[in-house]
Amino acid sequence: GENVEQHPSTLSVQEGDSAVIKCTYSDSASNYFPWYKQELGKRPQLIIDIRSNVGEKKDQRIAVTLNKTAKHFSLHITETQPEDSAVYFCAASTGFQKLVFGTGTRLLVSP
Amino acid sequence: NAGVTQTPKFRILKIGQSMTLQCTQDMNHNYMYWYRQDPGMGLKLIYYSVGAGITDKGEVPNGYNVSRSTTEDFPLRLELAAPSQTSVYFCASSSREFDNEQFFGPGTRLTVL
Repeated sequence: GENVEQHPSTLSVQEGDSAVIKCTYSDSASNYFPWYKQELGKRPQLIIDIRSNVGEKKDQRIAVTLNKTAKHFSLHITETQPEDSAVYFCAASTGFQKLVFGTGTRLLVSP
Repeated sequence: NAGVTQTPKFRILKIGQSMTLQCTQDMNHNYMYWYRQDPGMGLKLIYYSVGAGITDKGEVPNGYNVSRSTTEDFPLRLELAAPSQTSVYFCASSSREFDNEQFFGPGTRLTVL
């Protein structure tokens, strides 16, 4: 079955810096890769996603890149703000939109 | 629309007790899912359903059962609760016809003592 690895587990940056979180997946049949943000005690919220027929997608300060050959995808956050502090999860989906999640990255943005 | 709702928000069970976690969505989504999230970890799929009357196992189904008698409801049953089932349980739904985004409920925090 699918396995998703996520790095780093924690990431501390200064406000205004960029943050990059990386994930690798094992199943070449995976075709959908969402990123979720989860604040303490809250539900996961989708922030951006990408499909296997696209190499890059951007939404304001957030971008995701996908390398199908290497089976890895990354989340890029530019001009980080304190409100970006949260846990971020990557995931990969095969059939029926079933998601396999990474173990999460705790991002701390210091003012 | 209320989206995905879950009850209860919190529950403490004794070892061996049983309970049902309720999940309802009002978005007419075909697909529904149950995940568990252990402290400091990602979410793991317990069961999923692609429509009324159709359910299948996910990564960690042992100790749980589900049913899907209507499009809206997808209850999760815990039989003979064990401390290893202490977790936060999230229900989610998504539409087959549109983007694959899964919408999550607020979660149920379950403690088994």
